[in-house]
Amino acid sequence: NAGVTQTPKFQVLKTGQSMTLQCAQDMNHNSMYWYRQDPGMGLRLIYYSASEGTTDKGEVPNGYNVSRLNKREFSLRLESAAPSQTSVYFCASSEIRSGEQYFGPGTRLTVT
Amino acid sequence: GENVEQHPSTLSVQEGDSAVIKCTYSDSASNYFPWYKQELGKRPQLIIDIRSNVGEKKDQRIAVTLNKTAKHFSLHITETQPEDSAVYFCAASPNDYKLSFGAGTTVTVRA
Repeated sequence: NAGVTQTPKFQVLKTGQSMTLQCAQDMNHNSMYWYRQDPGMGLRLIYYSASEGTTDKGEVPNGYNVSRLNKREFSLRLESAAPSQTSVYFCASSEIRSGEQYFGPGTRLTVT
Repeated sequence: GENVEQHPSTLSVQEGDSAVIKCTYSDSASNYFPWYKQELGKRPQLIIDIRSNVGEKKDQRIAVTLNKTAKHFSLHITETQPEDSAVYFCAASPNDYKLSFGAGTTVTVRA
């Protein structure tokens, strides 16, 4: 099992460009999440999908959109990247009510 | 929403000593409190968690305590080893989904 995978690993964007971060899990989990990690601020939830077909805003959703493509895949889209979105992005998944979230390896995004 | 504060931000301990990290939370509806460990350049991984119907939980050298009345919970690592050096994050949630994380504690174990 690969667990949770993310692509790409690294990305540099110019201000105003768009991109989609991809996430997939092979653990048959129902719930998936997108976080951003910034120095001194811990992990902040951007969006989550409690189950296939549903998505909800987290703590910092502005500037992002998500798509739960199917049970395995959950993508994060930046429509018009801004320097404030420079961060490390983690995708995670969990089984409903189990608590434990399994994280992907992360995507380091720089917006210039 | 939930606000989680974590202290200290850095902690240096001698190998073999104990380490304690403390967190407070604001939302009395929170009932799930996990701790994650993140080694340099790696992904966060769950090391222990506790639910509000339990006051203390242990797993080998790691223990977590919860005081719901005071809205604080703590991570205790005993007999620290070099491999315990990492960033530790506490979190709180009212429903298993919307985890609110603390800012993290960088633990360094000195040989």
